[in-house]
Amino acid sequence: DTAVSQTPKYLVTQMGNDKSIKCEQNLGHDTMYWYKQDSKKFLKIMFSYNNKELIINETVPNRFSPKSPDKAHLNLHINSLELGDSAVYFCASSQGSGSGEYGYTFGSGTRLTVV
Amino acid sequence: GNSVTQMEGPVTLSEEAFLTINCTYTATGYPSLFWYVQYPGEGLQLLLKATKADDKGSNKGFEATYRKETTSFHLEKGSVQVSDSAVYFCALSDRDGANNLFFGTGTRLTVIP
Repeated sequence: DTAVSQTPKYLVTQMGNDKSIKCEQNLGHDTMYWYKQDSKKFLKIMFSYNNKELIINETVPNRFSPKSPDKAHLNLHINSLELGDSAVYFCASSQGSGSGEYGYTFGSGTRLTVV
Repeated sequence: GNSVTQMEGPVTLSEEAFLTINCTYTATGYPSLFWYVQYPGEGLQLLLKATKADDKGSNKGFEATYRKETTSFHLEKGSVQVSDSAVYFCALSDRDGANNLFFGTGTRLTVIP
């Protein structure tokens, strides 16, 4: 019973393509997130989303867009992929409107390689 | 603003050595503090947490104490094992703001037999 699951685990694609990464959580959490981890392991939040509010990190290019069909899913769409988008992308979820006392539960990551 | 500063790695220790990974933070308000661990090829897992000053979080032999006076949350383990080799992230939760989780840059630990 995976709590936060992401697909695919690996994604290799050419520059200029459009791709999506899916994320699902079965924890009943209210808020979901996308993080980008670069080659130096630095983690940067991209989006946080609950059924009331989408918060976007202003440094994220508008080629990236989250889509949430329901509370348990937050997919990441990326248009016109660039070489610099190569990274590991992590989905996460938390109770309530934020991490509060509980922290986040993370998925196992999607390694995106743009060639 | 909110930020977390971790000691730079990588850290290499022999099995059964004592581990300390330093973490200091800057925050508005009263954050919760966390340590996450990332094993090779996996996602981040919550290792331990502390929600208020002087709380001690502990798990799997690891400990960290929330020190408000020094704004620190150093991770310690008395005797590391090869299986502890991973990247460790210190993080804070801005409970008074947007409740996002802010991570440090991570410290890679390698334990050799």
